[in-house]
Amino acid sequence: KAGVTQTPRYLIKTRGQQVTLSCSPISGHRSVSWYQQTPGQGLQFLFEYFSETQRNKGNFPGRFSGRQFSNSRSEMNVSTLELGDSALYLCASRAGEEGYTFGSGTRLTVV
Amino acid sequence: AQSVAQPEDQVNVAEGNPLTVKCTYSVSGNPYLFWYVQYPNRGLQFLLKYITGDNLVKGSYGFEAEFNKSQTSFHLKKPSALVSDSALYFCAVRDEEYGNKLVFGAGTILRVKS
Repeated sequence: KAGVTQTPRYLIKTRGQQVTLSCSPISGHRSVSWYQQTPGQGLQFLFEYFSETQRNKGNFPGRFSGRQFSNSRSEMNVSTLELGDSALYLCASRAGEEGYTFGSGTRLTVV
Repeated sequence: AQSVAQPEDQVNVAEGNPLTVKCTYSVSGNPYLFWYVQYPNRGLQFLLKYITGDNLVKGSYGFEAEFNKSQTSFHLKKPSALVSDSALYFCAVRDEEYGNKLVFGAGTILRVKS
């Protein structure tokens, strides 16, 4: 079956702009989580959605937001981009007690 | 609070030799433990998990890990390393008291030399 699909793969944005990233989970998976990966901070949890509801949120400013649709697809949005937002953004989906399956990520570069 | 430590930034091993990548954790509840591997410009690839049951967990590509509750460790092992195993390895823990959030270690670069 198809894995977790993240689009776009690469993105270049200017400071102050906003960006929306998309994640399509594995079919049947209702839980979607987002992580930010940077060389300095490593992998950090952003938020988790389950059945269109945010269940958990990491320590990120309010500029980072997300949502989940009825088909379990999820988007995350970052407003007023800063240089420090440059990172690999990873989405993971999960069903029950299975391991989390990650997508290939979106590489965001803020210039 | 939950945390994961991977004490080695890099592990070097010769092809054919056994390898160990170390991980220790701290949680307040029952730990769910995971190992992931990341190749350059790729996402995280699941290797194995421990939730309950046998302390020795077998995973993908010949990897295994041993859960040791008294030492709060979950070291990743492989009896015979391959050059293709060279990658970045992450240990992660999910504390059931904190929902489904994964907390990752800093990662360990594994270099296997032929």
